[in-house]
Amino acid sequence: QKEVEQNSGPLSVPEGAIASLNCTYSDRGSQSFFWYRQYSGKSPELIMSIYSNGDKEDGRFTAQLNKASQYVSLLIRDSQPSDSATYLCAVTLQGGSEKLVFGKGTKLTVNP
Amino acid sequence: GAVVSQHPSWVICKSGTSVKIECRSLDFQATTMFWYRQFPKQSLMLMATSNEGSKATYEQGVEKDKFLINHASLTLSTLTVTSAHPEDSSFYICSASGQGGTDTQYFGPGTRLTVL
Repeated sequence: QKEVEQNSGPLSVPEGAIASLNCTYSDRGSQSFFWYRQYSGKSPELIMSIYSNGDKEDGRFTAQLNKASQYVSLLIRDSQPSDSATYLCAVTLQGGSEKLVFGKGTKLTVNP
Repeated sequence: GAVVSQHPSWVICKSGTSVKIECRSLDFQATTMFWYRQFPKQSLMLMATSNEGSKATYEQGVEKDKFLINHASLTLSTLTVTSAHPEDSSFYICSASGQGGTDTQYFGPGTRLTVL
């Protein structure tokens, strides 16, 4: 059973702080990694995709991938109350399948 | 770019009736479309994967005769819930991949189904 593990939280940070979200995965052959944000009652929205080891930055968001440790993280700088949502880590399986395996999500609350 | 739409956004139907949900990729050709279901406070559950012109591949435990999927073109997939029952009430979400030749999935806004 291929798994993606996330700390369910809730994670609470003050406005303006850095929020750090972590994810580990079990399939060593996974090639594609994604972070989605899901507001309550809404569908997931893509935040970042990352394919290579290292960091990838997009505005206030930075994704970090370490394939050797089977670990991917998302940092949110200058957190805003509008960032309050559930963050889903998703990973594709090895073998070229486009199917995503999702973690159960981390609920983030940014307090004004 | 990479916009996916769903219609309807919500639907209420009587038990025993069928409901069709449409999923469209508006600005790209989707090589693959996916259908998910999400119950309250639970994670997304993949129901099936479909490619244009091919039969859908259903996940284990999903009844293919109850959840009919038609992927008629590179921009349209439909999910029909046949003989719906109250336990089918859920949030149905489609996603599409293929934009820019990547495997990134872009999600539609979802359809909330309530079966009375």
